[in-house]
Formats: sequence, structure tokens, C-alpha cells
Amino acid sequence: EVQLVESGGALVQPGGSLRLSCVASGFTFSNHWMHWVRQGPGKGLEWISRINPDGATSDFAGSVKGRFTVSRDNARNTVSLQMNSLRAEDTAVYYCGRDPDSSGHYPQFYVDLWGHGTQVTVSS
Amino acid sequence: DIQMTQFPATLSASVGDRVTITCRASQSVSSWLAWYQQRPGKAPHLLIYKASSLQSGVPSRFSGSGSGTDFTLTISSLQPDDLGTYFCQQYHSHPFAFGQGTKLEIK
Repeated sequence: EVQLVESGGALVQPGGSLRLSCVASGFTFSNHWMHWVRQGPGKGLEWISRINPDGATSDFAGSVKGRFTVSRDNARNTVSLQMNSLRAEDTAVYYCGRDPDSSGHYPQFYVDLWGHGTQVTVSS
Repeated sequence: DIQMTQFPATLSASVGDRVTITCRASQSVSSWLAWYQQRPGKAPHLLIYKASSLQSGVPSRFSGSGSGTDFTLTISSLQPDDLGTYFCQQYHSHPFAFGQGTKLEIK
């Protein structure tokens, strides 16, 4: 089955850190750019990060730049989001998503496959 | 950064109605626009990409149009399963902003 499964969400105090993981199955993970998108409570969607197939290139939204990093392990079909210096406004459901281009060379930068999401709550 | 604005914010319609949702970009995104549906409590899923291309498996009652700054998503004959929130997203330039969403209710 083609799917993405996120894990690692938790309740964390302001200033704390958390690492989210997303495991892919059913497709050639190493060929695809991957994205992270979040959704705050009762809010819309916010694109926050992308990483290229070999993990050498990544980008972040301004709201998380300098605090979040992204990495991937193609041998384990896993992409991870390391979140540091967490703030209350980082509270959200975090989704990983697949870029539709399967060549890895012509990324589209929208998401054609979404995970179910993992909840991150930042509160004291 | 490009800002995306959707309207209306909320829409109530009856089964069988033709429904149109609008998305406007603060500057041209050419045709680099996607539409997603999010059912209550679920992850989003892709409906339309490149402004008017229907994603595989999506019912043909969904269609998209527009280019530049103005886009529409149309449901030709509303079905009960279409309940949810609809989001547009530009992928012309980083950061890849979403609209704030249009909540579709079934009368």
C-alpha cells in the first residue's frame, strides 16, 4: 500500500525540542522530494519544509527557519523533522507529504500523497 | 512572499448544486496552483494540480480553471461526500503558500 505514516508528536514545553519521523511505503521513496506541512488548531495549512531526494538540499518557511531542520534516510524510507526552540505557535498537526515527481529531477512542489499527521502541542 | 486569498470562507449548498470556490494570488503564479479537499478530522488530499489537471481517481464533477492571479474550483453537482474544507496552494515560488480555506457545508 502506498502510504506515509508520521510519528513522534507529543506535548512539549516552550523552548523544548522534538523529532518527528515519517516512514514511506509502497513507492520508491529515494526518487521523491518530500515536504512537511502543518495545521494549527482551527487554522489553515502552512507549508514549512522540503528536502530533495538525496537530502543535500532543503528549504524552510520563515516561521521555522533557524529552529527546524529536516533530514532523510533513504535506506529506511524515512524523513525526519527536528524541531528546536519550540514555541506555543508551533502547536499543530504536522503532515509529511510526497512531491509527485518520481524522477527526482523535476519537482513540482505540491503534495500528491499525505500522511495522517501527528499532533505537536507546545505548552507549559 | 505570495499571499493566497480564498472566498467565500464558508459556503452552504444543496446536493446537486453547482458550487464555485475562488482563489486569488497576490501576484501571478502562472498555472502553478493546486486544490485540496480536507474532510473533517482527516488529512488533505489532492484534487487538482496545475490549475486545471484532475488528479487520478478524483471524480470528474471537480474541475479547476484560471491562470495568473485568479482561479476557481467548481463542483458541477454537489454530493454529500463533498463536505469539508477546500484549500488552494501556489507552488510557483517559495514559500508555497496555501489559502485560508473554504468550508463547504451541505444544506
